Amino acid sequence: LAKTTQPISMDSYEGQEVNITCSHNNIATNDYITWYQQFPSQGPRFIIQGYKTKVTNEVASLFIPADRKSSTLSLPRVSLSDTAVYYCLVGDLFHNNDMRFGAGTRLTVKP
Amino acid sequence: DSGVTQTPKHLITATGQRVTLRCSPRSGDLSVYWYQQSLDQGLQFLIQYYNGEERAKGNILERFSAQQFPDLHSELNLSSLELGDSALYFCASSVAAGGPYNEQFFGPGTRLTVL
Repeated sequence: LAKTTQPISMDSYEGQEVNITCSHNNIATNDYITWYQQFPSQGPRFIIQGYKTKVTNEVASLFIPADRKSSTLSLPRVSLSDTAVYYCLVGDLFHNNDMRFGAGTRLTVKP
Repeated sequence: DSGVTQTPKHLITATGQRVTLRCSPRSGDLSVYWYQQSLDQGLQFLIQYYNGEERAKGNILERFSAQQFPDLHSELNLSSLELGDSALYFCASSVAAGGPYNEQFFGPGTRLTVL
């Protein structure tokens, strides 16, 4: 499984765009990139998933460069309720469901 | 609300005891996953069942076991409990056995405290 590296914490203010970058230098051909959000004492919640280029849904965008060695989760116009831990996971979802959650990035949104 | 239910919400027990955690997946989901989240180890995948059969195994101790029943609910059995087993235990479910875009939906968790 590809090892991922994310910033331990980030601070932002309401209304700003937040970009969280995840580094995964040894990503394999079959690996997908998935991001989850977790609030304290709650289970993680799926945010977005992608393989290459850009993926956008109603809550976030995921940017993946051509070499796929990193990915950036973009949260547009964050609010206080976006304060949470964000996890980047990389894995071959066809052959391995062993999801390895790292330490994640603790995002704090301030008023 | 993810649609995944877990019982009990809290459980307090003593070392050496055995407990059973229960999970009901979302309607229509065939896969059930179990995770352990402790302060020092983070969120760790334990085991996955798909339609009653074990599909994938993670860092699950031999003292722990799980099963998925014909009605698709799952139970995680923890025995010979140790202080270090105190953690939040999450269950998740998904439609398929694997593959991309097979989103896992997590339950609210069971907080286990071993005294």
